[in-house]
Amino acid sequence: NAGVTQTPKFRVLKTGQSMTLLCAQDMNHEYMYWYRQDPGMGLRLIHYSVGEGTTAKGEVPDGYNVSRLKKQNFLLGLESAAPSQTSVYFCASSVLVYEQFFGPGTRLTVL
Amino acid sequence: RKEVEQDPGPFNVPEGATVAFNCTYSNSASQSFFWYRQDCRKEPKLLMSVYSSGNEDGRFTAQLNRASQYISLLIRDSKLSDSATYLCVVASYGNKLVFGAGTILRVKS
Repeated sequence: NAGVTQTPKFRVLKTGQSMTLLCAQDMNHEYMYWYRQDPGMGLRLIHYSVGEGTTAKGEVPDGYNVSRLKKQNFLLGLESAAPSQTSVYFCASSVLVYEQFFGPGTRLTVL
Repeated sequence: RKEVEQDPGPFNVPEGATVAFNCTYSNSASQSFFWYRQDCRKEPKLLMSVYSSGNEDGRFTAQLNRASQYISLLIRDSKLSDSATYLCVVASYGNKLVFGAGTILRVKS
């Protein structure tokens, strides 16, 4: 039982490049979330999903897209990366909203 | 104003000390409250829920004051392994949690 996994763990992009972050969970959770964490800001919700085939915007959705084609996977896409998107990205999943299980994070640097 | 505010610290305490963290939230409609713990360069993990009647889990005690919109976490007999960032978390309407920026605790021997 791996819990929540994220790939890749680290990535360096140039401005304007695109990439996809993959989140996978093996706990059969309905809810999945993408957050970013910046110094002094706490975790901020980017997008979330309440079930397969559904997505919704969080607090800071601009510049990101998501897809939840399978219940166990939640993808976060950056179409044209900007330096302001340099951050640590965490994926989480939950049965109920309250106890969220987080992946190990992806450290993204945009030059 | 941030929806959840915490003193960033760091709080530097000796082993065995008692330390308390505070958190305030601005949305009076908030439904549920939690403390998460985040070790350095790791993911956050749920530490405990916070109830109006207060709740205790071993050396940890959490309190909620709805009238003042204030949450606290008390750690007794601090251990070196308690060194971490403690995140105050509030659940508002919908399926979303709002995280505070965290309070850093460093326990020294």
